Amino acid sequence: DSGVTQTPKHLITATGQRVTLRCSPRSGDLSVYWYQQSLDQGLQFLIQYYNGEERAKGNILERFSAQQFPDLHSELNLSSLELGDSALYFCASSVLSSRTEAFFGQGTRLTVV
Amino acid sequence: DQQVKQNSPSLSVQEGRISILNCDYTNSMFDYFLWYKKYPAEGPTFLISISSIKDKNEDGRFTVFLNKSAKHLSLHIVPSQPGDSAVYFCAASEWPDNDMRFGAGTRLTVKP
Repeated sequence: DSGVTQTPKHLITATGQRVTLRCSPRSGDLSVYWYQQSLDQGLQFLIQYYNGEERAKGNILERFSAQQFPDLHSELNLSSLELGDSALYFCASSVLSSRTEAFFGQGTRLTVV
Repeated sequence: DQQVKQNSPSLSVQEGRISILNCDYTNSMFDYFLWYKKYPAEGPTFLISISSIKDKNEDGRFTVFLNKSAKHLSLHIVPSQPGDSAVYFCAASEWPDNDMRFGAGTRLTVKP
């Protein structure tokens, strides 16, 4: 158990809908990261927050947004969903904001039908 | 743009032998490198890391080697065990951020 909690574990929704994925980082971790893993693909970096502030942005679509709340949990919002958004979405957390390992949650499997 | 590449999608080795997983990167500004292991239906698990000021880091059966001039790193597992069978990802980041860029992964199978 990495200490990072992601909910829900599975989500099935229709095209055009909006969903929210939630992540609770390890106790004491200030950085939260979101990654997307499509079928048989590597992990694509989406976005990083550090202590509530956006720190780095990767290949995140405009239809996607995220935030980190004062209690350090984070949410990833996916809107106007398309079939191609079906993927595993991972959240990770770390104490520091750089040169450190991150600990991953078990992921949320999103299926868009 | 794939800045971190793992060109071998799979690797099969015999139990007790050495497993060598390779990774290449294109961004010369990367200064921190990591290896993660992933089992099905689980999130990636951190294995070992190395800073660009070093060329080797060892932790038990796992050793990571970094060749900065070649922009290449490798993970050695000695001796390999069946429980090591998993997908291995290498990742790299550039200071001051920690937006780790991952390779596509190599599936390691260790046969008894």
